[in-house]
Amino acid sequence: GNSVTQMEGPVTLSEEAFLTINCTYTATGYPSLFWYVQYPGEGLQLLLKATKADDKGSNKGFEATYRKETTSFHLEKGSVQVSDSAVYFCALRYTGNTPLVFGKGTRLSVIA
Amino acid sequence: DTAVSQTPKYLVTQMGNDKSIKCEQNLGHDTMYWYKQDSKKFLKIMFSYNNKELIINETVPNRFSPKSPDKAHLNLHINSLELGDSAVYFCASSQGASLTDTQYFGPGTRLTVL
Repeated sequence: GNSVTQMEGPVTLSEEAFLTINCTYTATGYPSLFWYVQYPGEGLQLLLKATKADDKGSNKGFEATYRKETTSFHLEKGSVQVSDSAVYFCALRYTGNTPLVFGKGTRLSVIA
Repeated sequence: DTAVSQTPKYLVTQMGNDKSIKCEQNLGHDTMYWYKQDSKKFLKIMFSYNNKELIINETVPNRFSPKSPDKAHLNLHINSLELGDSAVYFCASSQGASLTDTQYFGPGTRLTVL
């Protein structure tokens, strides 16, 4: 079936450290891939997305590249801030009229 | 201007009660969703409506009944609440139901069943 696997958290980093959150997927066909972020006490917000192989999504200093050969969509940021502390969800959509399939989320804590 | 809004934000109730959660979007989107987030933060789709018609109905107890009076609203009614229904429920909407459509989420409703 279609699924998303994310690295287990929590991840704790110091401010200005480099961030990588791994995400791999299993899907039929060519899914669209998404990263959502959930700040404490809030709903999910779209962080970035990529809809075809080799696309790079980017937003707020975060990047992720759609790698079809490794079925991955790893999230990276060069220098994290305390305000980046949140839960990050990788998700896919494998065809129209289907919902998002989410990974289990990775909690990131950034300390000053 | 809130794009996707939900009421109430918090809901505490006793087992066996019936309750509703309301969702409204002012984005002009055609498709709306309900997701459930459990205590471990795992998110799973429950229902999806496109132009007021049900298009996704995952394996959810029939105590849960979505209702879409118009394209801008998708309400969730829950009968005979159980302890296991405690979770955060998120409403979302998207322009359409295509592969690349972005879903916009509401702030969530935290339901606690005692």
